[in-house]
Amino acid sequence: KAGVTQTPRYLIKTRGQQVTLSCSPISGHRSVSWYQQTPGQGLQFLFEYFSETQRNKGNFPGRFSGRQFSNSRSEMNVSTLELGDSALYLCASSLGIEHYEQYFGPGTRLTVT
Amino acid sequence: EDQVTQSPEALRLQEGESSSLNCSYTVSGLRGLFWYRQDPGKGPEFLFTLYSAGEEKEKERLKATLTKKESFLHITAPKPEDSATYLCAVQPFSGGYNKLIFGAGTRLAVHP
Repeated sequence: KAGVTQTPRYLIKTRGQQVTLSCSPISGHRSVSWYQQTPGQGLQFLFEYFSETQRNKGNFPGRFSGRQFSNSRSEMNVSTLELGDSALYLCASSLGIEHYEQYFGPGTRLTVT
Repeated sequence: EDQVTQSPEALRLQEGESSSLNCSYTVSGLRGLFWYRQDPGKGPEFLFTLYSAGEEKEKERLKATLTKKESFLHITAPKPEDSATYLCAVQPFSGGYNKLIFGAGTRLAVHP
């Protein structure tokens, strides 16, 4: 079975721009979660989508948003980028019901200059 | 507030020297505790899920255990390829599904 895929793998943006990251979950998984990983804060939960609905949200500003499509693929968007948004953005998928193991993708490394 | 603390921050072992990593947690209600392994530049790799105190799981040289306040990841006779950062995460009942709260991790280096 193919794992979680994320595109692009690397991205360089300028402060003030916006960015869209994409995640394709494991086949059959209906839940997609997004995390931000930085050296200072570690792994922090952004939000989770299940069957196209945001089911849970972390403590991040409204500049961070996401959505999920009917095929369970998900995108996250960050608007008005700040230097502090530089991070590894990880997507994780799970079945979403009863079985809670989350499987992570390789991540998208975002650098904001 | 739900919290996860991992110790030590870093651990250096000789090949074959067994040891344990600790994960202490404070959570209003535990749905599950997860262990992951992360190699540099890669996403975390799922290792174990533990759901209740007293539960144990094993995989090759790794064994995870759970009590009401902490979890241990025991590494028996480690090899250099076990070098990685090991992350512990809890999933509380409150706060909704699939929200994982991670510890800062333990960086393990195994030298031949």
